Amino acid sequence: QQPVQSPQAVILREGEDAVINCSSSKALYSVHWYRQKHGEAPVFLMILLKGGEQKGHEKISASFNEKKQQSSLYLTASQLSYSGTYFCGTRTGNQFYFGTGTSLTVIP
Amino acid sequence: DAEITQSPRHKITETGRQVTLACHQTWNHNNMFWYRQDLGHGLRLIHYSYGVHDTNKGEVSDGYSVSRSNTEDLPLTLESAASSQTSVYFCASSLAHPDTGELFFGEGSRLTVL
Repeated sequence: QQPVQSPQAVILREGEDAVINCSSSKALYSVHWYRQKHGEAPVFLMILLKGGEQKGHEKISASFNEKKQQSSLYLTASQLSYSGTYFCGTRTGNQFYFGTGTSLTVIP
Repeated sequence: DAEITQSPRHKITETGRQVTLACHQTWNHNNMFWYRQDLGHGLRLIHYSYGVHDTNKGEVSDGYSVSRSNTEDLPLTLESAASSQTSVYFCASSLAHPDTGELFFGEGSRLTVL
């Protein structure tokens, strides 16, 4: 039931861009994105609702294609502070599932 | 400030013992969740509650139980701890339904079962 994320891990140099994908075999009503720093709790980034809405948060934005049951997170001009593990979250029935995570490391 | 707190933050126990992890939130959120986090598996849903006296099983509920007697608390009990339950446990809460509302996480409880 967990959504599938890709890639599992990515290493970037400062200033480079990255895309993280999240896909589900079930119909999606909304998609959440969270970032977790090492040893800390996940922190909410954004939520996307049905309608193909694209939202932004600083230089981080996301899209949601409900027909394809997919969402993508776009990180532009990455900064060292973007390092962490990114999770998408989706609802199936009454249960809220998180993906397996994508580890993002930004190096100078 | 309103918050969500977990206790204990670290616990070591022995196989077969009963363990209870506490989760307390002061936001008056109706929805509360327990997840476990293991390398390679991300966050997996154990139990969840959408209101007082409402509890539901998640995808990895075997060996765990919860009760919701008030809005603020959702304690997670491991009836007979097993080494496979060594993990980091996160409690979360949300005011709105997950379709529209973000989840707020506690700081996590690291449990080691020897």
